[in-house]
Amino acid sequence: GAVVSQHPSWVICKSGTSVKIECRSLDFQATTMFWYRQFPKQSLMLMATSNEGSKATYEQGVEKDKFLINHASLTLSTLTVTSAHPEDSSFYICSALERTGLRYNEQFFGPGTRLTVL
Amino acid sequence: AQSVTQPDIHITVSEGASLELRCNYSYGATPYLFWYVQSPGQGLQLLLKYFSGDTLVQGIKGFEAEFKRSQSSFNLRKPSVHWSDAAEYFCAHGSSNTGKLIFGQGTTLQVKP
Repeated sequence: GAVVSQHPSWVICKSGTSVKIECRSLDFQATTMFWYRQFPKQSLMLMATSNEGSKATYEQGVEKDKFLINHASLTLSTLTVTSAHPEDSSFYICSALERTGLRYNEQFFGPGTRLTVL
Repeated sequence: AQSVTQPDIHITVSEGASLELRCNYSYGATPYLFWYVQSPGQGLQLLLKYFSGDTLVQGIKGFEAEFKRSQSSFNLRKPSVHWSDAAEYFCAHGSSNTGKLIFGQGTTLQVKP
């Protein structure tokens, strides 16, 4: 199956700093990527849809100025958590959508990034 | 609105026993249904998926799932559970238009020796 990587796998930062997380599709081109957030013992919550060459679409309740998403190429999307605070500490997971023409295939998930804000 | 329900938050089974994890979805003329497994601190691994065709789907690690449109269900089964199957299991329903996935709440599987 297709491989999606995330970097870094974990990060610890001070409150007020910004953190960038990268999501790469390694062996396929992904015009669409998704960013999820997962709190301990909870399910994945979709934060935003990242489309190559256009602005991201954010889910209701997600602050777009807080979570900046850039999808500059067909294999890379980045999530920047700006002015991070302890409540932003979470597990962030990205996925890349594989499509063949109009046919829906599936999302391939990255291994996740553990963010801890002190 | 689309939703996915996993009624069982936590299930404990003995090693070697059979397993069934329940999943119900609320909407979808053409359901795209998935089961994922997540080990602690890890990403998601796809166990199996259903798009169309045979309603009994075989997946990896000996798992299977049956799509029942009349019951809006996509339950995951395994005839004999191994200790390594202990993990979090998520059912998800995909949108063919947007590609978005809606996840269920997850079921934690504990395996007793």
